[in-house]
Amino acid sequence: AQSVSQHNHHVILSEAASLELGCNYSYGGTVNLFWYVQYPGQHLQLLLKYFSGDPLVKGIKGFEAEFIKSKFSFNLRKPSVQWSDTAEYFCAVNSIGDDKIIFGKGTRLHILP
Amino acid sequence: GAVVSQHPSRVICKSGTSVKIECRSLDFQATTMFWYRQFPKQSLMLMATSNEGSKATYEQGVEKDKFLINHASLTLSTLTVTSAHPEDSSFYICSAPRLAGVSGHEQFFGPGTRLTVL
Repeated sequence: AQSVSQHNHHVILSEAASLELGCNYSYGGTVNLFWYVQYPGQHLQLLLKYFSGDPLVKGIKGFEAEFIKSKFSFNLRKPSVQWSDTAEYFCAVNSIGDDKIIFGKGTRLHILP
Repeated sequence: GAVVSQHPSRVICKSGTSVKIECRSLDFQATTMFWYRQFPKQSLMLMATSNEGSKATYEQGVEKDKFLINHASLTLSTLTVTSAHPEDSSFYICSAPRLAGVSGHEQFFGPGTRLTVL
């Protein structure tokens, strides 16, 4: 069965620090990968997605993620975080041909002003 | 982008009553929709896949008689929590996939429904 592992449960950073959130998945076949963000009191929004092509994916708000197939990883990065990035971040995966998405447990990011 | 709505956004009910939550895709059709449950400070747990014109598919451990799902049309799925108990209190979220390119679907999420059972 597919699973998604997010290594960092809670991350605290100061503004302007660089961010990297880890995500690994387990599935032997071809997958689509996603990062979602949930701001306090709001619903899930898509940050970025990888379907195919360039493994370095750029998303909204300056976020990017790199798909490394050999490591089954899809880490999220941002070179300089802002206070407004405080939110919960979820990595997710679905296998090709299956709409069902499996989520990681999420990483709560807290940015200090 | 695509919009998915949920109604109601918040509901408080007494133990033993049933609660219906609606999920609508507003500007696209969805033959499949998904229902998730999110406990405080935890991830989304997939409960079931709602299929238009056929029975829902439930994940392991989810009681199908407890959580009734009906996919009435290509834009509407409903989740009914029957005989609700306090342990059913949670945040329920639906999503609908829309084709995004040739390789896959993108999920669009509703804003969620917070259920509190007294």
